Amino acid sequence: QSALTQPRSVSGSPGQSVSISCTGASSDVGDYNYVSWYQHHPGKAPKLVIYDVNERPSGVPDRFSGSRSGNTASLTISGLQADDEANYYCCSYAGGHWVFGGGTKLTVL
Amino acid sequence: QVHLVESGGGVVQPGRSLRLSCAASAFTFSSFGMHWVRQVPGKGLEWVAVISYDGNNNDYAESVKGRFTISRDNSKNTLYLQMNSLRVDDTAVYYCARRAYRSYHLDYWGQGTLVTVSS
Repeated sequence: QSALTQPRSVSGSPGQSVSISCTGASSDVGDYNYVSWYQHHPGKAPKLVIYDVNERPSGVPDRFSGSRSGNTASLTISGLQADDEANYYCCSYAGGHWVFGGGTKLTVL
Repeated sequence: QVHLVESGGGVVQPGRSLRLSCAASAFTFSSFGMHWVRQVPGKGLEWVAVISYDGNNNDYAESVKGRFTISRDNSKNTLYLQMNSLRVDDTAVYYCARRAYRSYHLDYWGQGTLVTVSS
């Protein structure tokens, strides 16, 4: 049950796009279409922004998108806004259990 | 609006026990699986345990297996996490989260309760 690998930090200016990678294994990210992404502002409840690799919950703007290639999933946020500054976590179902990434801090410059 | 409120956190000595609760409202609790997820201060999220909608099936992370027990009382709309033989490295904010209906993501989360294991 090794954690998924994410970059510790990414940054971008307002209006730009950023991508966050999430690398797992053939037993989790590469084996199931159940990768999800969560936005977490410290002190608040985490919020689901992407599920099933590339599906957006209602209410999440289409600036958020997800993809996957092999054992690596990605979250892309376009048209960066100040409120996007947060920690982002990927998560994958892994056959009876779940595994999270270590988290990526997004800084909006 | 789905509402999840954790309680029961606090300071406890190594080797002791603690029980967390998660009160659910504004949805049919008995129809949804539930998770516990934790976050060590300054670190990432770690999945802890999951329980099925009826309480008949559950699974645990290796780091807590044999020490923690997840359970639920659907008559009280409440999820529990019984934590025994606590260790210093169990110190974390513990979140409850709803498993999306017939799916594999966690669609709603509580704000968490802090557990500190220290002598």
